[in-house]
Amino acid sequence: AQSVAQPEDQVNVAEGNPLTVKCTYSVSGNPYLFWYVQYPNRGLQFLLKYITGDNLVKGSYGFEAEFNKSQTSFHLKKPSALVSDSALYFCAVREDSGSARQLTFGSGTQLTVLP
Amino acid sequence: EAGVTQFPSHSVIEKGQTVTLRCDPISGHDNLYWYRRVMGKEIKFLLHFVKESKQDESGMPNNRFLAERTGGTYSTLKVQPAELEDSGVYFCASSQIDGWNTEAFFGQGTRLTVV
Repeated sequence: AQSVAQPEDQVNVAEGNPLTVKCTYSVSGNPYLFWYVQYPNRGLQFLLKYITGDNLVKGSYGFEAEFNKSQTSFHLKKPSALVSDSALYFCAVREDSGSARQLTFGSGTQLTVLP
Repeated sequence: EAGVTQFPSHSVIEKGQTVTLRCDPISGHDNLYWYRRVMGKEIKFLLHFVKESKQDESGMPNNRFLAERTGGTYSTLKVQPAELEDSGVYFCASSQIDGWNTEAFFGQGTRLTVV
């Protein structure tokens, strides 16, 4: 069975500072990892994904994520936070075993960037 | 190109009543998924359609929930009768390819409140 943990319900960071939103996962097979963002009154928007290859994945809006197999982590990062980055972030995993194609999500992390 | 569209955006109903949620996927997307987020927790998978067929309905909580996708286009999710614990945000997503590494595109969600 696959699972995702986002250990922080809330992350606060000052504008211009680097930000990290943490995610760890558990799968039986090979993981495919995704980050989604939900802005207020909007749907989930795809940010980036890890398939195979380079452990540092770059995505939309200047975000990137680092895949660490030994630590089973896929933390989301951005070098310099903007107030407009304030939103709810979800990490998700899908493993390549069985026939199911469902995504398993974490509980979400509310990011607040303070001006 | 229009994204995934969900109707209504909000619904407040009394316990015991019936509610029908609708999802219009991105045109040409054979794969359609329903998810829900209850009580601010993780987003959980409900079911997966491939065209008009139910590929995986392992996440449906009970037989009060009925999903259909007639003609392989839009989908409806009916809750009958609704219970208090059904309150939450129901998300629909679609994808063209049913692959391990394929991201799904989500709608804005329907916020259901059962009182």
